[in-house]
Amino acid sequence: AQSVSQHNHHVILSEAASLELGCNYSYGGTVNLFWYVQYPGQHLQLLLKYFSGDPLVKGIKGFEAEFIKSKFSFNLRKPSVQWSDTAEYFCAALFNQGGKLIFGQGTELSVKP
Amino acid sequence: ETGVTQTPRHLVMGMTNKKSLKCEQHLGHNAMYWYKQSAKKPLELMFVYSLEERVENNSVPSRFSPECPNSSHLFLHLHTLQPEDSALYLCASSQSRRAAQETQYFGPGTRLLVL
Repeated sequence: AQSVSQHNHHVILSEAASLELGCNYSYGGTVNLFWYVQYPGQHLQLLLKYFSGDPLVKGIKGFEAEFIKSKFSFNLRKPSVQWSDTAEYFCAALFNQGGKLIFGQGTELSVKP
Repeated sequence: ETGVTQTPRHLVMGMTNKKSLKCEQHLGHNAMYWYKQSAKKPLELMFVYSLEERVENNSVPSRFSPECPNSSHLFLHLHTLQPEDSALYLCASSQSRRAAQETQYFGPGTRLLVL
């Protein structure tokens, strides 16, 4: 079955620490990949997306993600986190054109000032 | 603001009540979606509408009834819900269901509590 896994449920970092959140997806044809963020009390916002081309994708707020096809991974990174990055992060995958957008269970990031 | 609005933002209802959730998108999109977000679980896709036609129904109980009167509006009619239906209900829209234009934009959600 098509699925997306986020292995870190809750990550706690201090400001200026580097961040990497894991995301793996099950294989199965063409895949488009997304990272969404949900700040406390706010709606889901798109951070970045990968459809094709350069596997290193840069998004908003200094985030980037790398699509590694051989590992079925799309990990999210940021070199130096800020307190304002405290939020829940969701990885999602769209398997094949017109398919369902499948979400991982989310990773809660807490950044200590 | 993503251009997708939802009302009400919070709703408390009894199991015998009938209520409706409303979603409106101001982005000129042709596809709209309902998701359910429960605590500690991934977002679950409930319904998909494309050009006002329902194209997906993910085994959602009949006590949830969607309606899409036009491409800008989407409703979720609720009837005789159960306490386990308490969750955040999210609406999303995308330009189309073709992959390159299928980035979904989410509304703020309706927090539903069923007593």
